Amino acid sequence: GENVEQHPSTLSVQEGDSAVIKCTYSDSASNYFPWYKQELGKRPQLIIDIRSNVGEKKDQRIAVTLNKTAKHFSLHITETQPEDSAVYFCAASPFGTYKYIFGTGTRLKVLA
Amino acid sequence: DAGITQSPRHKVTETGTPVTLRCHQTENHRYMYWYRQDPGHGLRLIHYSYGVKDTDKGEVSDGYSVSRSKTEDFLLTLESATSSQTSVYFCAISDRRVTDTQYFGPGTRLTVL
Repeated sequence: GENVEQHPSTLSVQEGDSAVIKCTYSDSASNYFPWYKQELGKRPQLIIDIRSNVGEKKDQRIAVTLNKTAKHFSLHITETQPEDSAVYFCAASPFGTYKYIFGTGTRLKVLA
Repeated sequence: DAGITQSPRHKVTETGTPVTLRCHQTENHRYMYWYRQDPGHGLRLIHYSYGVKDTDKGEVSDGYSVSRSKTEDFLLTLESATSSQTSVYFCAISDRRVTDTQYFGPGTRLTVL
């Protein structure tokens, strides 16, 4: 079945630096790749997503890139701020299915 | 936030007692899910529903049952709670006829003593 691996599990960056989180998926039928941010004690919230017909998507300081050939997708956060500190989850969803397979999460700490 | 509520939000119970968690949505989404979240494991699917009275197992379904008698309600039951079921439980909804996005409820923190 589908498997999503996420790295690193923890990431510390200085405020203002960039952060990159990487995910790898196994099912070539996956065509939707969301990223969620989860603050302590809160629900996961969608922050950006990408579909397989697009290679890159940006929204202000965050961007997601997708390499379908290598089955990799990455979250890029630029000019990090303390409020970016949270756990980030990637997921992959195969076309036409109900399934959303999640990575194990990355705890991002932005140091002031 | 999408119209998803969970009840209760917190519960402490004892080993061997039955527990039912409720998820309620106002979005009329077809699919509903129950996940559990534990440190180091991310979000693991317990059960899901693809319509009224239509449910199926996820990857960690042992010890759990579900029911969906109405589009808007999805119940998760622990027939006889164990300490290993101490976790945070999230309900989620989706409907790929409308949107690819899966939305999460606020979560229920369950402690089994």
